Parts: sequence; C-alpha cells; structure tokens
Amino acid sequence: EVQILETGGGLVKPGGSLRLSCATSGFNFNDYFMNWVRQAPGKGLEWVAQIRNKNYNYATYYAESLEGRVTISRDDSKSSVYLQVSSLRAEDTAIYYCTRLAPYWYFDFWGPGTMVTVSS
Amino acid sequence: DVVLTQTLVAQPVRLGDQASISCRSSQSLVHSDGHTYLEWYLQKPGQSPQLLIYEVSNRFSGVPDRFSGSGSGSDFTLKISRVEPEDLGVYYCFEGTHELTFGSGTKLEIK
Repeated sequence: EVQILETGGGLVKPGGSLRLSCATSGFNFNDYFMNWVRQAPGKGLEWVAQIRNKNYNYATYYAESLEGRVTISRDDSKSSVYLQVSSLRAEDTAIYYCTRLAPYWYFDFWGPGTMVTVSS
Repeated sequence: DVVLTQTLVAQPVRLGDQASISCRSSQSLVHSDGHTYLEWYLQKPGQSPQLLIYEVSNRFSGVPDRFSGSGSGSDFTLKISRVEPEDLGVYYCFEGTHELTFGSGTKLEIK
C-alpha cells in the first residue's frame, strides 16, 4: 500500500525558514518524480516544486512565484523528499502536500499535508 | 503563463442529476509528444485532493464510471452523471503540459 506522510509544519515567524519532510513507503521510490503542492486557507491548489529521479539526474523545478526561496531534495535511501522554504512570508501560510507523479504525468497519491503558519 | 479558467461554483444540481464542469486553458494543452496532460482532481471537505481523470478522458483506478472527461486543445469538460452525496467538494483541473498549473476550482453544490 502506498503511504505518504508529511511532517515539519508549524508556526514560523516572518523571515524564518522551515524544512518539510515527506516519508513514503509501499512503492519503489527511486522510480518516481516527487512534488510538493500547497493550499492557502480557503484557496486553491498551487504546485510548488518537483524533483525527478536518478535517471533524470535529480533535476529540480520550481514555481516561478517561489523560485529562489525553496529547495526540493530527496534521499532515495530513506524514500523521502524534503522542501526547504526560506524568507517565509504570511502568504506562504498553507497546507503543504507531498505527492507522487505517475508516469502519465498525474499526481496519483497524496499525503494528508502539513500546515505551515507564518505569523509574528 | 498558462491560465486555467473554471467557474467558481457549478450550477446547483439535484442528487441523481448530471453535473458538468468546464475548464478552459489560455493555451493549447497538446504536448509536443502528442499527449494532452489535462487532469481532474476532486478535493472533498477536509481531505487531500484525489485524482479522477488523467489525459482528458482516462478514469483513474477505482473512480466510478459516472465520472467522464472530454475535450481537446484548450477546452475541457468533466461530467458527473447521477450525482451522489459523496461527490460534493471542489473540482480542480490541472495541466501537466506546460507549467504544472491548477485551475482555480469549481465547487459542486447540491440543490
């Protein structure tokens, strides 16, 4: 059974940084591209970042709105993916979801999300 | 930038009726490889999004056949025949062809 679980959310002051973790199990993690998607309270979904697998040299891609403040990484030995977000602003307050990208370019499994609140 | 336009709230429907949700893209979503990476997700209240349809019209595993997708180029539709209570939520279209963009979402309401 595929399982995805995000951790690391919490309350952060503006200007601070946070590292989110996503632990997975139940599938061959090495084969998949992994992504982060976020959702501000009462708002829609926003794709944040993608990291490809070893076959694609772990290439990374970011939403333009966040580029320069986010870094996605992965540890295949731990079947985990991470998102480092820096210079946090109030508008970064959101649920951050970790999601697996299937070969036909769709998000087939999602974690329950971790809430990040940026407030002084 | 690619913009996916969805109506904020679908026409309220009665249980058992058909619902139709549209998604219009500012650009064609046909990829250079010939595929059209347009998907539909449903987010039920308090839950993570779940995949319904991929590549315009393919139902994901376990999705009831009352969900169907259609369209081409830049104009797409999700139809739900015989709406059931568990279909309530917000429906998002998503394009994987260009920039990985979600539509703004359409809330399905019951009359």
